[in-house]
Amino acid sequence: SQKIEQNSEALNIQEGKTATLTCNYTNYSPAYLQWYRQDPGRGPVFLLLIRENEKEKRKERLKVTFDTTLKQSLFHITASQPADSATYLCASPFKTIFGAGTRLFVKA
Amino acid sequence: GAGVSQSPRYKVAKRGQDVALRCDPISGHVSLFWYQQALGQGPEFLTYFQNEAQLDKSGLPSDRFFAERPEGSVSTLKIQRTQQEDSAVYLCASSLEQRSRVSQPQHFGDGTRLSIL
Repeated sequence: SQKIEQNSEALNIQEGKTATLTCNYTNYSPAYLQWYRQDPGRGPVFLLLIRENEKEKRKERLKVTFDTTLKQSLFHITASQPADSATYLCASPFKTIFGAGTRLFVKA
Repeated sequence: GAGVSQSPRYKVAKRGQDVALRCDPISGHVSLFWYQQALGQGPEFLTYFQNEAQLDKSGLPSDRFFAERPEGSVSTLKIQRTQQEDSAVYLCASSLEQRSRVSQPQHFGDGTRLSIL
């Protein structure tokens, strides 16, 4: 079946470092991937969309890459801040499939 | 308000009772989605509406789950004869255009946390 997999282990990093989160997809080839942020008790909030023919997309301190050979998208937060602590979800919008999300903790 | 609104925020019901969850999408949004989110998991797709038409209900786990959007705006998700495994957060999302316009982001409400005792 079509799946999106994200590292279920929490990622702990120091403030100011770059956080890198991984999204792998299996058994299909999405034309688009979206990334969302979810805080506890809240709904997901859209951050970025990347198309398969875009190798990289940037928005402020955020960067997303899409590697169709590796079937993988990477999500980077540079100069991370404690306020970046949240769960980050990868999604395939057409198939409406979400990954389980990766929890990020940024320590001051 | 400007965002997607869901009510109630919390719902506790006894096993076997029926429940109804409401979603007010952003005004003018064509697409409306319902998701179920278990603790520590991502949202799982339940059903999709384009205006008042329910075009995809492939994610509904059983015939106890029913959703409607009769006038193409407010939607209700109904669960009949609730079971303990129905306990989860139910999220609603809306999007400006139809689902095939995949560049459109989904705007989520904060969900209804359903607990079945």
